[in-house]
Order: sequence, then structure tokens, then C-alpha cells
Amino acid sequence: GQNIDQPTEMTATEGAIVQINCTYQTSGFNGLFWYQQHAGEAPTFLSYNVLDGLEEKGRFSSFLSRSKGYSYLLLKELQMKDSASYLCASYSSNTGKLIFGQGTTLQVKP
Amino acid sequence: DSGVTQTPKHLITATGQRVTLRCSPRSGDLSVYWYQQSLDQGLQFLIQYYNGEERAKGNILERFSAQQFPDLHSELNLSSLELGDSALYFCASSGPGTLDTQYFGPGTRLTVL
Repeated sequence: GQNIDQPTEMTATEGAIVQINCTYQTSGFNGLFWYQQHAGEAPTFLSYNVLDGLEEKGRFSSFLSRSKGYSYLLLKELQMKDSASYLCASYSSNTGKLIFGQGTTLQVKP
Repeated sequence: DSGVTQTPKHLITATGQRVTLRCSPRSGDLSVYWYQQSLDQGLQFLIQYYNGEERAKGNILERFSAQQFPDLHSELNLSSLELGDSALYFCASSGPGTLDTQYFGPGTRLTVL
């Protein structure tokens, strides 16, 4: 089956760095995605990891450890517009499905 | 703008009714996915179509059905609507690879009164 855990809420300060963790249990795991979703809007793709290690994309980086079933999304130089929900999703080649976690609501304060 | 379009943006209807949600994928994408997002359930995968054929099924109720047409647009039909069906319904599309990124449309907000 597939199970994903991530914190429900986080708060951080503008200009700071925040790390959002995600643990997963996915049979036939074959990739980990991160999406950003502002309230009432569509999820937008941030990053994708299939191999262990860090993928960097501007202010956002994502890390994956397949052996530990663990990923994190790192957001640097936080801006107010980064206040959103961050969804971790794992892909199973067994089921062919992308399963989403409940999301972490990040609030960035001045 | 992801390139995925969905209509209508909002839909208000009554219990027991039937509605159809429409999705047009990004140009060149063969796969279409439907998701339901309610406040207490998060983003739930419903069903996937690839080039007109059903490829994967999630937690889709028997009252719900979908299809993908030859021009690759897709429709999600919801019937015998209940209050609990009120949610945001998203369509996503991706390229032909199994690990191709899914790009989401703006969603249809369904309210059942």
C-alpha cells in the first residue's frame, strides 16, 4: 500500500529557511514529487526526486533517501508569497498511482 | 498557467442531481487524471485515462464515471449527488511516460445543497 506522513502546519519568518519533512511507505516506490498549493487554487509542480540526493531549483531544494523512505523540501529566503500548502506525493510503479499526503500548511510571518 | 483547462469553474446543484465536469489536457499530453479535494480528505486520486483507455482507478464511487474522448478531452460524471460530494475536483495531465510530471488544471468547485 501507500502511506505518506507530513506535518500538518508550520510557521516560519520571512527571509528564513524552512524544511518540510515527508516520510512514505510505498510498495513499488518509483519517485517522490512536491507540489505547492495556494488556498483554492491548483497544485503546482515544484520538484521531483527518483534517486537519492538533493535536487536544487532556485530557492527550493528537495532531498530523497530511498532507504529511509524520507524526503524533505527546503525553502530558502522565505517570502510572504510562500505561504501555502506543500504536498508530498509518492509514485508507485505497482499501482501506477501518485498518492498525495495531506499537505503541510506553511505560514510565513513578517 | 499549466495549459490544462477545466469547465465550469463553479457549479452549484442540489442533492440527487447529475453533473458533468470537463477537462482539456495540455497539448500533446495523452494521460488525464481526476482528483477530488475536500477539506478533511486532502487530494484523492479518482481515475486515470491514457489515450482513451482507463489506466488506473482510485477511490472512485460507483456513482461517478469518467471517459476520455478521441480528441483527448475528458469528462467526469457525478450522479445521485450527495452533500458529501461537495469538493474541488481537479484534472491533471501528463506526457506518455509513467513518471511524467502531472500538471493540474484550475479545478471545478462543486457545491451540493
